[in-house]
Amino acid sequence: NAGVMQNPRHLVRRRGQEARLRCSPMKGHSHVYWYRQLPEEGLKFMVYLQKENIIDESGMPKERFSAEFPKEGPSILRIQQVVRGDSAAYFCASSPRAGAYEQYFGPGTRLTVT
Amino acid sequence: GENVEQHPSTLSVQEGDSAVIKCTYSDSASNYFPWYKQELGKRPQLIIDIRSNVGEKKDQRIAVTLNKTAKHFSLHITETQPEDSAVYFCAAGGGGGNKLTFGTGTQLKVEL
Repeated sequence: NAGVMQNPRHLVRRRGQEARLRCSPMKGHSHVYWYRQLPEEGLKFMVYLQKENIIDESGMPKERFSAEFPKEGPSILRIQQVVRGDSAAYFCASSPRAGAYEQYFGPGTRLTVT
Repeated sequence: GENVEQHPSTLSVQEGDSAVIKCTYSDSASNYFPWYKQELGKRPQLIIDIRSNVGEKKDQRIAVTLNKTAKHFSLHITETQPEDSAVYFCAAGGGGGNKLTFGTGTQLKVEL
């Protein structure tokens, strides 16, 4: 049973470029969460999506960040015009249904902005 | 919103000793409390969780206790081994939807 997949594992972008992070949930899971982890800090919730719907984006910065989970394909977290402060590990998690709560994490994408 | 505090931030124990990590939460509506283990550069791994209708749960050397009245929950690791060395995160969920609110982590070091 394949786990949560994320790619790329490492991403280097120059300031001002765009970063696209992809997440494929576990088989049978239709709920996706994105978290950001700054160096030596805990995980901070960003956004919760179901297929074609954003359910909770209370943790997303108001500008430059967007997320989607289309009917087909992976969930994508998009960061436009990246700045140095965006450098972090971005983790995706999935769960099988609303109210299940158990969330299983992918390996993360480590974004470095130079 | 929910706020989770975790203590201690670092913990060193001798191999074979027990380790205890404590968390408090603020939202009385939270009803799900998982613990994750994260090794350096790796993904957080769910190691145990507890729901608010249960006071204690055990899985081999790991146990979690929950005091809903005091809004405290704790992770207990017995007979620690070097491979237990990692950062452990507590979290709370269920009160404000499906998202998890994490504590700041405890760096556990098990020394030989």
